Amino acid sequence: DVVMTQSPLSLPVTLGQPASISCRSSQSLVSSDGNTYLNWFQQRPGQSPRRLIYRVSKRDSGVPDRFSGSGSGTDFTLKISRVEAEDVGVYYCMQGAHSWTFGQGTKVEIK
Amino acid sequence: EVQLVESGGGLVQPGGSLRLSCAASGFTFSSNWMSWVRQAPGKGLEWVANIKEDGSEKYYVDSVKGRFTISRDNAKNSLCLQMNSLRAEDTAIYYCARSRGFVDWGQGTLVTVSS
Repeated sequence: DVVMTQSPLSLPVTLGQPASISCRSSQSLVSSDGNTYLNWFQQRPGQSPRRLIYRVSKRDSGVPDRFSGSGSGTDFTLKISRVEAEDVGVYYCMQGAHSWTFGQGTKVEIK
Repeated sequence: EVQLVESGGGLVQPGGSLRLSCAASGFTFSSNWMSWVRQAPGKGLEWVANIKEDGSEKYYVDSVKGRFTISRDNAKNSLCLQMNSLRAEDTAIYYCARSRGFVDWGQGTLVTVSS
């Protein structure tokens, strides 16, 4: 099974400052079709998850451009260029190249 | 607007059964894979199962294989999860989600397995 490891698990951030979350997979996420199936999700307190990024770096409709995804192979990063109050919540990476597994989640909070 | 509305959750004893449903609207249901994802109280997300557009392929996480069955009715835009032999560790909010990339999510339905 593919294991997804996120770091840090807790991320206190100052409003307006950048934030970065790392996600590492135990196997390459490049599929046989050449695509890399790595998604990022945001879950605000009391809400359902919402997909932000798919296939490493493609932003979903309506997602602010302060969110960006990057990486390749087994190492991936979600960056928030300037954290806003509405960004508080838990962020999950998820791989879909070998079945489907989520990372443990990273809790983003305001300092 | 895409809408996914789960129902059927509740309290059930260990060893019991429960059937979850997800009513879909706002997109072409028959053209989308559909998935179930769960979240134990205070914990992270876990993919449970998914089903191909025509129901010909189904996949499950190892922990539910042989106990859970995913199905769909494209005529009714409906997704189901039949859960048998329930265990305490199945206690979670169950979400249905559109596609294998989990593009859209419902609000979830809570399943509690306890005596």
